[in-house]
Amino acid sequence: NAGVTQTPKFRVLKTGQSMTLLCAQDMNHEYMYWYRQDPGMGLRLIHYSVGEGTTAKGEVPDGYNVSRLKKQNFLLGLESAAPSQTSVYFCAGRVDRTDTQYFGPGTRLTVL
Amino acid sequence: KNQVEQSPQSLIILEGKNCTLQCNYTVSPFSNLRWYKQDTGRGPVSLTIMTFSENTKSNGRYTATLDADTKQSSLHITASQLSDSASYICVVNTGGFKTIFGAGTRLFVKA
Repeated sequence: NAGVTQTPKFRVLKTGQSMTLLCAQDMNHEYMYWYRQDPGMGLRLIHYSVGEGTTAKGEVPDGYNVSRLKKQNFLLGLESAAPSQTSVYFCAGRVDRTDTQYFGPGTRLTVL
Repeated sequence: KNQVEQSPQSLIILEGKNCTLQCNYTVSPFSNLRWYKQDTGRGPVSLTIMTFSENTKSNGRYTATLDADTKQSSLHITASQLSDSASYICVVNTGGFKTIFGAGTRLFVKA
């Protein structure tokens, strides 16, 4: 099993550009999450999904959109990147609400 | 306000020594508390989970304690190894969809 994977690992964008981060899992996770991690702060939830075809806003959703068309994939989109979105993005998944979250390796995004 | 505070922010110890990391939380309602280990450039990995009724939980050289009355938890690392160098994150779940992450303690183990 590959577990939770993220694509790409690194990306540099210019202000105003758009991009999509892909999270894929083969662990039968019903719940999936997108977080951002900034220096000196805890992981903050951007958006999450409780099943295929569903998405919901987390703590810091502004400037991001998500889609979960297939159970195994959770996409995070930035329509018009801003320097404040420079961060490390982590995807996570779990089977149910009581299960531990399994994290991907992260995507380091820099917006110039 | 739901918060998880960890101390110290960073810690340097010599290989073979023990150390204890602290976590204080003001999260309500409380469902469980987890400690995660995050190696540099990797995603967090769960070490332990404790529910309200559990006081202590071990995972090899890692021992977590929980005092639900004072809302404090600690992670004790015994006989540290170089591979223990990482960030350790305290995470509290409310039972719904709220998961509150601490900022982490950065541990450096020196030879």
